[in-house]
Amino acid sequence: EVQLVESGGGLVQPGGSLRLSCAASGFTFSSYWMSWVRQAPGKGPEWVANINQDGSAKHYVDSVKGRFTISRDNAKNSLYLQMNSLRAEDTAAYYCATNNGDNWGLGTLVTVSS
Amino acid sequence: QSVLTQPPSVSAAPGQKVTISCSGGSSNIGNNYVSWYQQFPGTAPKLLIYESNKRPSGIPDRFSGSKSGTSATLGITGLQTGDEADYYCGTWDNSLSGYVFGTGTKVTVL
Repeated sequence: EVQLVESGGGLVQPGGSLRLSCAASGFTFSSYWMSWVRQAPGKGPEWVANINQDGSAKHYVDSVKGRFTISRDNAKNSLYLQMNSLRAEDTAAYYCATNNGDNWGLGTLVTVSS
Repeated sequence: QSVLTQPPSVSAAPGQKVTISCSGGSSNIGNNYVSWYQQFPGTAPKLLIYESNKRPSGIPDRFSGSKSGTSATLGITGLQTGDEADYYCGTWDNSLSGYVFGTGTKVTVL
C-alpha cells in the first residue's frame, strides 16, 4: 500500500523557517517525480514545487521562488521542503504527492502568524 | 488567480448527469494532458481522471473526462449524494513551467 506521511508543520512567525518532510513507502520512490501542493483555508489547491527522480530538475511556483527549496533523499525514501522567509500568505495545509497526482499524503498544517 | 477557469458550482438531482468545464489556453490545456480531482472537506484531493480521459483503478465509469482544444470537461453520470464535493482540473503550463489547478467547482446533489 502506498503511503505518504508529511511532518514538520507548525506555527511560525513571519520571516521564520520550517522544514517539511514526507516519508514515502509502498512504491519505488526513486522512480517518481514528486510534488508539494498546498491549500490555504477555504481556497483551492496550489502546486508549490516538484522534483525529478534524482533531484537534478526542480520547478517552483513564482510566489515561493528564492524562499522555498525542494529536495529528496532516495536512500531514505523521503521528500523535503525547506521554507524560509515565511509570510502570512504561506499559511496552508501542505501535501506531498506523486507528480502524477495519484497518491497524496494527509497533509501537514503550516501557520505563519505573530 | 488561476489560468484555468471552472464554473463555481453545478447541481443536479440524484441519478442525473453533470458536466464541469475547465477552460485554459495553448500553454496549458492546449498542449498537455488534463487531470481531474475530487476533494471532500478536510481531505486531500483524489485523482479521478488522468491523461485527459483515463480513470485510475477503482474510479467508477460514472466519471469521464474529455479534452478539445484548450478546454476540458469532466462528466459525472448517475449522480449520487456521495458525489457532493469540490472538483478541480489541473495540468502543466509550459509558459509558467509549473502545474496549475483550476478555480474549482462545487457539485451539489439536489
